[in-house]
Amino acid sequence: DARVTQTPRDKVTEMGQEVTMRCQPILGHNTVFWYRQTMMQGLELLAYFRNRAPLDDSGMPKDRFSAEMPDATLATLKIQPSEPRDSAVYFCASGPDGVLDGYTFGSGTRLTVV
Amino acid sequence: SQQGEEDPQALSIQEGENATMNCSYKTSINNLQWYRQNSGRGLVHLILIRSNEREKHSGRLRVTLDSSKKSSSLLITASRAADTASYFCAITGNTPLVFGKGTRLSVIA
Repeated sequence: DARVTQTPRDKVTEMGQEVTMRCQPILGHNTVFWYRQTMMQGLELLAYFRNRAPLDDSGMPKDRFSAEMPDATLATLKIQPSEPRDSAVYFCASGPDGVLDGYTFGSGTRLTVV
Repeated sequence: SQQGEEDPQALSIQEGENATMNCSYKTSINNLQWYRQNSGRGLVHLILIRSNEREKHSGRLRVTLDSSKKSSSLLITASRAADTASYFCAITGNTPLVFGKGTRLSVIA
């Protein structure tokens, strides 16, 4: 089965450090989402790409977060500098255009900022 | 709010019983999707229903959509312990895929 691959699986970092999370969407999927999940806020949409172009990143704190798709096989989410409140599980999801069967999620990156 | 809102927040049932979860929303939608999340894992897509559809089935899952009331329900029949998970509805329309807070389902063997 095709999978969305996220790396790293777990990341512990100190406050102030840069964090980069990577996502490999399923080949042929042109829509990519980044979500953040916490107990308090649930699933928050951070960024949304179609054909590598960012369409919506209104949910992302612009001063420290950035999301890019350098090519069709890689999406990145960077936090610089990281803060303890960024601790969460970050999910990437991908899907084809005109989705008929929903989107495929990766297993997530669990980020802990100490 | 442009997200769906699931109800109840938590549900506990005995194995073999049916489980019903509801989702309400406030905006116009293109489609509504249901996802399952097992503890510590990513979300898994269960079923998608378009705005012009009223009902859809997939195995033990039945989803209904009432566009006039802006609500959807997910029915899991003959539940199993393995159905224990959180269930989320997500809508697409004016915004991309936006999720509610989910319903935590516990199926007791």
